[in-house]
Amino acid sequence: QSVLTQPPSVSGTPGQRVTISCSGSSSNIGSNTVNWYQQLPGTAPKLLIYKNNQRPSGVPDRFSDSRSGTSASLAISGLQSEDEADYYCAAWDGSLNGWVFGGGTKLTVL
Amino acid sequence: QVQLQQSGPGLVKPSQTLSLTCAISGDSVSSNSAAWNWIRQSPSRGLEWLGRTYYRSKWYRGYAVSVKSRITINPDTSKNQFSLQLNSVTPEDTAVYYCTTKENDYWGQGTLVTVSS
Repeated sequence: QSVLTQPPSVSGTPGQRVTISCSGSSSNIGSNTVNWYQQLPGTAPKLLIYKNNQRPSGVPDRFSDSRSGTSASLAISGLQSEDEADYYCAAWDGSLNGWVFGGGTKLTVL
Repeated sequence: QVQLQQSGPGLVKPSQTLSLTCAISGDSVSSNSAAWNWIRQSPSRGLEWLGRTYYRSKWYRGYAVSVKSRITINPDTSKNQFSLQLNSVTPEDTAVYYCTTKENDYWGQGTLVTVSS
């Protein structure tokens, strides 16, 4: 049972825009920034978005995030076949004094 | 660019101790602005933060409640690395273990640890 709640799966067609939600509480998303990760099969999660919509070098601007209260969302525009992966949200939890993660969302590109 | 290289056995017997090491390049384990995490991932538990160590004039450690009684994370300044020890393992501890940097922006390659006799 993950502390942050994500939908198990989302899907879209090439070129479409999809969003993945992440719901938490006041002790995590409500008071700390959210990181988003992309994980391809058999590899470690890769940082996609951090600290209020910042992208590491090499991550295209098709990926963006937003936050409202105790929820956050990852948006992927111009969907491409290579975006098919698992996506995770994460945040520091001030009550637990540790990182908490979402259960992951599997993105399927139809 | 920070790089993390994990090492350690992939098979541990029940009731024994799981030990992994994470070698750091591109940063210092003793940096006053860094922190070093261990995270694991399994189908049943998803991504689970286990704990961290960091240096702020002295060494600090923080652990997840779920493993607090069994876990130790230690820095090794002579080798610029840090380690994970998890005692009294059960099959429930079977997972891919990762070491990461402070904000989980860099990850080790992952080590699949299976707990089985």
